[in-house]
Amino acid sequence: EDQVTQSPEALRLQEGESSSLNCSYTVSGLRGLFWYRQDPGKGPEFLFTLYSAGEEKEKERLKATLTKKESFLHITAPKPEDSATYLCAVQVNTGGFKTIFGAGTRLFVKA
Amino acid sequence: DTGVSQNPRHKITKRGQNVTFRCDPISEHNRLYWYRQTLGQGPEFLTYFQNEAQLEKSRLLSDRFSAERPKGSFSTLEIQRTEQGDSAMYLCASSSRTSGKETQYFGPGTRLLVL
Repeated sequence: EDQVTQSPEALRLQEGESSSLNCSYTVSGLRGLFWYRQDPGKGPEFLFTLYSAGEEKEKERLKATLTKKESFLHITAPKPEDSATYLCAVQVNTGGFKTIFGAGTRLFVKA
Repeated sequence: DTGVSQNPRHKITKRGQNVTFRCDPISEHNRLYWYRQTLGQGPEFLTYFQNEAQLEKSRLLSDRFSAERPKGSFSTLEIQRTEQGDSAMYLCASSSRTSGKETQYFGPGTRLLVL
């Protein structure tokens, strides 16, 4: 069964303390992997799309990487405004466009 | 239009009533998705449209749920005979395929509370 698992469930950091979030996946065929940020009560905000192992994308303090089994979202020198839930999703290559989300990692950054 | 819009943003209803939500995608996007999200979980796929055709439905989409996308523009999601377990955030996303790559952009969601 296609599955996406994110870890940790929650992460508390001090401002400036770099860390990584993990997204591991087991799917029959990967069409693409997506990272989103979600603030409470709002819809997910798109961050990155990754399509093949070895691919990397960067945006401000965030960097996403992809291997054949997992993806990492690296956060460098986070600020309190980076506090949010970070969601990972995979689009499965089954002839359709079904997308499976992980449960997310809740990030808290303290000043 | 710079994003996906959803209406209403909030809906409170009594068990057994019918509700309908609307999603207006980004104008040039031909694919439209519906998801359901409960507290502490990621969005769960419900269904998606390519233009006006509904191409895939999750087994989560019981016969009380129906979605339409007439003329391939806006979409509606109707829930008949609502149950307390239907309480959730209902999210809509749209996408278009450019150069073999696709990204879904989400609306703000409709939060449903069934009393």
